Amino acid sequence: AQKVTQAQTEISVVEKEDVTLDCVYETRDTTYYLFWYKQPPSGELVFLIRRNSFDEQNEISGRYSWNFQKSTSSFNFTITASQVVDSAVYFCALSDWGAQKLVFGQGTRLTINP
Amino acid sequence: DARVTQTPRDKVTEMGQEVTMRCQPILGHNTVFWYRQTMMQGLELLAYFRNRAPLDDSGMPKDRFSAEMPDATLATLKIQPSEPRDSAVYFCASGSDIAYEQYFGPGTRLTVT
Repeated sequence: AQKVTQAQTEISVVEKEDVTLDCVYETRDTTYYLFWYKQPPSGELVFLIRRNSFDEQNEISGRYSWNFQKSTSSFNFTITASQVVDSAVYFCALSDWGAQKLVFGQGTRLTINP
Repeated sequence: DARVTQTPRDKVTEMGQEVTMRCQPILGHNTVFWYRQTMMQGLELLAYFRNRAPLDDSGMPKDRFSAEMPDATLATLKIQPSEPRDSAVYFCASGSDIAYEQYFGPGTRLTVT
């Protein structure tokens, strides 16, 4: 069975600090996808990134970066120079190659204080 | 700016009533998913369709929930009869076999009293 664990339930930092959200996953599949979604206070789920299991290159998009390490089954998300608008619940998710069903972690509530 | 739309956004109903939630996937997407979010269970998959065919509804309580796609532009999730434990936010998402990421609608917040 697939499982995603986000051990950090809540994180609170001061604006401009860097913050890393941890994600550890379990799967027996050799090919799979990993995702991060953001859920701001308004409630919608916003897609941030998709990685496939073949590609372990780190990715950077502005202040966001993702570190995928297959050896430790982790897909961590770092926000550099955090801003108040980054406050949200962040979900890590996993899907198999074929069915595309998402298995979500429990989410990490990130609060950025001014 | 293509988006998944869901109606209604909020629904308050009494126990025993029928509830119908609707979703319009992004044009051109061929997969549609229904998820439910609660504080206790988090986000869980209820059902999903590919090319309008139901592929998996193992996450749904079969006796009261049903999901359909009458056409490519409409997916529905029905609860009959509704119960207080069904209170949750129900999300619809759509995707494609090419892109794989799913795009979520704004959700329907259901409250059953």
